[in-house]
Amino acid sequence: AQSVTQLGSHVSVSEGALVLLRCNYSSSVPPYLFWYVQYPNQGLQLLLKYTTGATLVKGINGFEAEFKKSETSFHLTKPSAHMSDAAEYFCAVCRGAGGGNKLTFGTGTQLKVEL
Amino acid sequence: DTGVSQDPRHKITKRGQNVTFRCDPISEHNRLYWYRQTLGQGPEFLTYFQNEAQLEKSRLLSDRFSAERPKGSFSTLEIQRTEQGDSAMYLCASSPEGGRGEKLFFGSGTQLSVL
Repeated sequence: AQSVTQLGSHVSVSEGALVLLRCNYSSSVPPYLFWYVQYPNQGLQLLLKYTTGATLVKGINGFEAEFKKSETSFHLTKPSAHMSDAAEYFCAVCRGAGGGNKLTFGTGTQLKVEL
Repeated sequence: DTGVSQDPRHKITKRGQNVTFRCDPISEHNRLYWYRQTLGQGPEFLTYFQNEAQLEKSRLLSDRFSAERPKGSFSTLEIQRTEQGDSAMYLCASSPEGGRGEKLFFGSGTQLSVL
């Protein structure tokens, strides 16, 4: 079975500082991994995804993530935080082929950006 | 194509009442998914359809929950005899057949509050 663990339910950074949100995965097959962002009372917006190929993936709004098989990690980063980045972020993994696009999500990390 | 549409956006009901939510997927997508997200948690898979066939149901989907997709287009999720524990955001997503999550699109969700 596939699962993801997000370390830190709340992360606070200063505007302009590096954002690092951690995600570790467990998967019995090569994983497809995702990061979603959710603003209050809204649905999920896809930030980026790793399927195959290049392990450093770039997403929207300046975010990127690196797939590290040796560390079973897929941490999300952004060099310089902006106030508009304050939201909840979810890491997710898709189960193997034949899984019907079903995602398993982590419990989320609430990002707070301070002046 | 305006994306995945959910109706209503918000629903407040009294305990014991029945509620029904609607999801309209992206028109060319033959797969449709329902997820539930409680406060402070990531979305959890409930069920999914391929065309009109319900292919998988989570253990979270108790007997009080029923989902349908009668013509393989829109879907409804009904909760009978609502309980306070049913209060959550109900998210719908759709995808074409195939893939492992990279073609999944979410709606904005229906926020249910059971008083």
